[in-house]
Amino acid sequence: KQEVTQIPAALSVPEGENLVLNCSFTDSAIYNLQWFRQDPGKGLTSLLLIQSSQREQTSGRLNASLDKSSGRSTLYIAASQPGDSATYLCAVSRRDDKIIFGKGTRLHILP
Amino acid sequence: KAGVTQTPRYLIKTRGQQVTLSCSPISGHRSVSWYQQTPGQGLQFLFEYFSETQRNKGNFPGRFSGRQFSNSRSEMNVSTLELGDSALYLCASRLFAGVPDTQYFGPGTRLTVL
Repeated sequence: KQEVTQIPAALSVPEGENLVLNCSFTDSAIYNLQWFRQDPGKGLTSLLLIQSSQREQTSGRLNASLDKSSGRSTLYIAASQPGDSATYLCAVSRRDDKIIFGKGTRLHILP
Repeated sequence: KAGVTQTPRYLIKTRGQQVTLSCSPISGHRSVSWYQQTPGQGLQFLFEYFSETQRNKGNFPGRFSGRQFSNSRSEMNVSTLELGDSALYLCASRLFAGVPDTQYFGPGTRLTVL
């Protein structure tokens, strides 16, 4: 059974710092892994999608890596800003096309 | 292009009642998925519809059902509501099913069961 874990559950960092969010999954047989952002009371916004054959994806200040063999992914945020405060969710897409989400890391950037 | 829309945004019901939630996907998207989000369980997959057919289902009781119309709009129904059904219900759309692709999420419907 695929399980997705995100640690830590919450994180506070001063503005301007670089930070890393972690995601681990138990079954390496995945199609892809996505990172989403969720603002309070709102839906999810897709940030990055990494196909199983890829090692990383970049978008602006965000970089996501994928290591299937170890069942890990990281989301790197450079030069954090207060507007980055949100909950970040990791999700893996299984071979049966179901998507399993982690419970998220609640990020707070301190001005 | 308009995003995924969900109606209503907020809903308050009492135990035993039933509720219907609506989702309009992005124009041209034919797959609609539904998720339940709670603080304890996080985001859990309910079901996915593609071309008016349910193609995938999560581990939820039969009280949770859905359907999709020919214009790809989808509705989700929960019968005999329980307190534990209080959650944010999210729908997501994508172009096709069966192809691992980015899903676009709506803002959600906040359901409170009293």
